[in-house]
Amino acid sequence: EVQLVESGGDLIQPGGSLRLSCVASGFTVSNEYMSWVRQAPGKGLEWLSVLYSGGGSYYRDSVKGRFTISRDNSKNSLYLQMNSLRVDDTAVYYCARLSHGAGVGVYAFESWGQGTLVTVS
Amino acid sequence: DIQMTQSPSTLSASVGDRVTITCRASQSIGDWLAWYQQKPGKAPNLLIYRTSTLRSGVPSRFSGSGSGTEFTLTISSLQPDDFATYHCQQLQSFPWTFGQGTEVEIK
Repeated sequence: EVQLVESGGDLIQPGGSLRLSCVASGFTVSNEYMSWVRQAPGKGLEWLSVLYSGGGSYYRDSVKGRFTISRDNSKNSLYLQMNSLRVDDTAVYYCARLSHGAGVGVYAFESWGQGTLVTVS
Repeated sequence: DIQMTQSPSTLSASVGDRVTITCRASQSIGDWLAWYQQKPGKAPNLLIYRTSTLRSGVPSRFSGSGSGTEFTLTISSLQPDDFATYHCQQLQSFPWTFGQGTEVEIK
């Protein structure tokens, strides 16, 4: 069974740093495309970053240079290092496993963790 | 960025109703569209990908259609478990973007 469990969310002051973790089970993180998505209180979903199995990564502009996605194969885990946090980074952060076709694009975010709350205040 | 606009934002319906939610993209996204269901306090759950492909295990009362810039999610006969918020997402180009969500509430 595929499972994703996030942790690391906390109350942090503006300008601070935080590292979120996402431990996976039921599959190997390094073989998959993985992403982080956030949802501010009462708002919609916002994609943040993707890490491809080959190691490439992409970010949305608002977090580029502040957030870094990475993985630890030995721990089968995905991470999101967040620096220079702002009040508008307050949200529940989800990690997700992506489904994709061979040589084609990403189809969807097929598995999600339960989320971890980051409050910047 | 490609903007995704869902309508309506809120929909009041009864059990057994046929429900349609529309998602419009600010530019063509081909068929690179997914739909998710989200219940309060829970993570989103994938329903449909590539516009119309039902994820394994999702009830057949859910269906998706469209192409280019206009897409629809239809629930043929609303069930009690379907009262939730529905999100569309484009995966045609970065940044991948979501609609603002449509809440389906009990009438």
